[in-house]
Amino acid sequence: EAGVAQSPRYKIIEKRQSVAFWCNPISGHATLYWYQQILGQGPKLLIQFQNNGVVDDSQLPKDRFSAERLKGVDSTLKIQPAKLEDSAVYLCASSSARAGNSGNTIYFGEGSWLTVV
Amino acid sequence: AQSVSQHNHHVILSEAASLELGCNYSYGGTVNLFWYVQYPGQHLQLLLKYFSGDPLVKGIKGFEAEFIKSKFSFNLRKPSVQWSDTAEYFCAVNANSGYSTLTFGKGTMLLVSP
Repeated sequence: EAGVAQSPRYKIIEKRQSVAFWCNPISGHATLYWYQQILGQGPKLLIQFQNNGVVDDSQLPKDRFSAERLKGVDSTLKIQPAKLEDSAVYLCASSSARAGNSGNTIYFGEGSWLTVV
Repeated sequence: AQSVSQHNHHVILSEAASLELGCNYSYGGTVNLFWYVQYPGQHLQLLLKYFSGDPLVKGIKGFEAEFIKSKFSFNLRKPSVQWSDTAEYFCAVNANSGYSTLTFGKGTMLLVSP
């Protein structure tokens, strides 16, 4: 089965520029996640979708970050304007989890590496 | 909210040595526990998970972990490591209800020398 697809794999931008990352989850997975992983730290959840609805975006810096999953399949994460501290790997993940079934395995993509200079 | 603490940031072992990576979590309710592994240049992969039942869980590649509820711990073990086990290991936890967020520890980088 195809895994979680992400693009681009690598991106270098200047501060105050914008960037967008795309994710296509595993087919049939209703739940989609965006995580931020800063070097030396574990992944931190930015936003979680259930189909096309947002379940948790409490740690998303909404003044500069936005994400959408309009048709409940693929998703885009945007950063505008970028700051130096946004340099990180942005991981997309998906699972078939539904309400009351939090134990489903989460499958991760290879990540999009962002460097802000 | 839950939190996860991994005891060691870096571990260096020789091949055939035994491995134990510590993981403690903080949460007052029932939890699901996971260990993920990230090999160099690859994506995060599930190593093993605990939901309920036998607290000793066996995963891929000879890894196992034991859930000790009284100690809020879920330590990862392998009796004899190989050079190919060089990777970063992440412990993670979520609450066993609804759409609970999966919270990760900071990770432990394991280097196995041949």
